[in-house]
Amino acid sequence: QVQLVESGGGVVQPGRSLRLSCAASGFTFSFYAMHWVRQVPGKGLEWVAFISSDGSRKSYADSVKGRFTISRDNSKHTLYLQMNSLRGDDTTIYYCARDLGVPGTPLDLWGLGTLVTVSS
Amino acid sequence: QSVLTQPPSASGTPGQRVAISCSGSSSNIGSNSVNWYQQLPGTAPKLLIYSNNHRPSGVPDRFSGSKSGTSASLAISGLQSEDEADYYCAGWDDSLNGVIFGGGTKLTVL
Repeated sequence: QVQLVESGGGVVQPGRSLRLSCAASGFTFSFYAMHWVRQVPGKGLEWVAFISSDGSRKSYADSVKGRFTISRDNSKHTLYLQMNSLRGDDTTIYYCARDLGVPGTPLDLWGLGTLVTVSS
Repeated sequence: QSVLTQPPSASGTPGQRVAISCSGSSSNIGSNSVNWYQQLPGTAPKLLIYSNNHRPSGVPDRFSGSKSGTSASLAISGLQSEDEADYYCAGWDDSLNGVIFGGGTKLTVL
């Protein structure tokens, strides 16, 4: 079954760190670029980060640049998001998404999301 | 405030045709393809239209997309109750070097 499953969310204090994982199955993970996208429940979508299929290229939203790091382990079919110096406005649902690989960066497969709550 | 501008809401009756607009700039829609996502309540987004006007497998042909200059539009014909959802336009922005989303349009089927 082609799917993405996020994990690692939870409650964390401001200033602390958290690492999210996204396990891919049912497709050749190493062929695809991947993204993290987040969404405050009931609000709009916000792109967080991108990583190329081989991990050599990365890009971040200004809101997380310098605090978040995207990475991947193709041998484990897993995408990661290391989140440091967490703030209250990082409290959202985090989705991992697969890049279809055509111009325009369409995201054709999404996980169900994992909720991160930053609170003291 | 989103880089891509969408109306916050739209509505129609069953069987009607509705259109949702998405306005951007030369660094995004003007130079890159537009994608549309549908998000049903309580679920993850789903790719609805990619590369301006292409439908992924399984998406009904009632959904169509178009682009002109720095604007794009999603049209839904033969509106059905199950189309009630949030719709987002999105694409790559060359200036921001990242993906941008519109603020979303909540479609209500009356």
